[in-house]
Amino acid sequence: AQTVTQSQPEMSVQEAETVTLSCTYDTSESDYYLFWYKQPPSRQMILVIRQEAYKQQNATENRFSVNFQKAAKSFSLKISDSQLGDAAMYFCAYRSARYGGSQGNLIFGKGTKLSVKP
Amino acid sequence: NAGVTQTPKFQVLKTGQSMTLQCAQDMNHNSMYWYRQDPGMGLRLIYYSASEGTTDKGEVPNGYNVSRLNKREFSLRLESAAPSQTSVYFCASSVQLYEQYFGPGTRLTVT
Repeated sequence: AQTVTQSQPEMSVQEAETVTLSCTYDTSESDYYLFWYKQPPSRQMILVIRQEAYKQQNATENRFSVNFQKAAKSFSLKISDSQLGDAAMYFCAYRSARYGGSQGNLIFGKGTKLSVKP
Repeated sequence: NAGVTQTPKFQVLKTGQSMTLQCAQDMNHNSMYWYRQDPGMGLRLIYYSASEGTTDKGEVPNGYNVSRLNKREFSLRLESAAPSQTSVYFCASSVQLYEQYFGPGTRLTVT
């Protein structure tokens, strides 16, 4: 079974600085998707970024980028120019590329709480 | 576009009471999901529906039932609520392999 591990329960960053959140995963599959979701105090789960395992290029979305290391099974999220609105829980998630049964479901890590200091 | 909507937003139940959490999506997605989120545990899948007319158990299905009423709606029922079911419940939907979109959540307390 696949697992997702976020080893940093809490992180803190100064406004305008850069922070990197770590995520590792375990799978025997070669094709899959990885996601980062943000959950602010409102509780709403918001998709931040998506990475397809077959793509070598790291995904980027404005100030958010990932460092995807397939061999190391590592998927870290870098937030540049941190803003107060970035303060939230961040969840890393894995999804198999096979579709059928439970294989298409998301497997979440336990989250990292990010604080942004003004 | 409302996306994924859930009702109610908050609910308090006594042990043994029953209730149904409602979820609807207007994105024409095939797949729908129910998760629970507990402190320090991340999100865990309760049940999912890969397509209209099908439902399957996830990681933590005990004590719950689901109904995929039509393509838009997917409800979660607690037949006899227990304090261990105190949690925040999220509904989500997706188009097959793509990302899941989440509703705002329901905070349920069972006393």
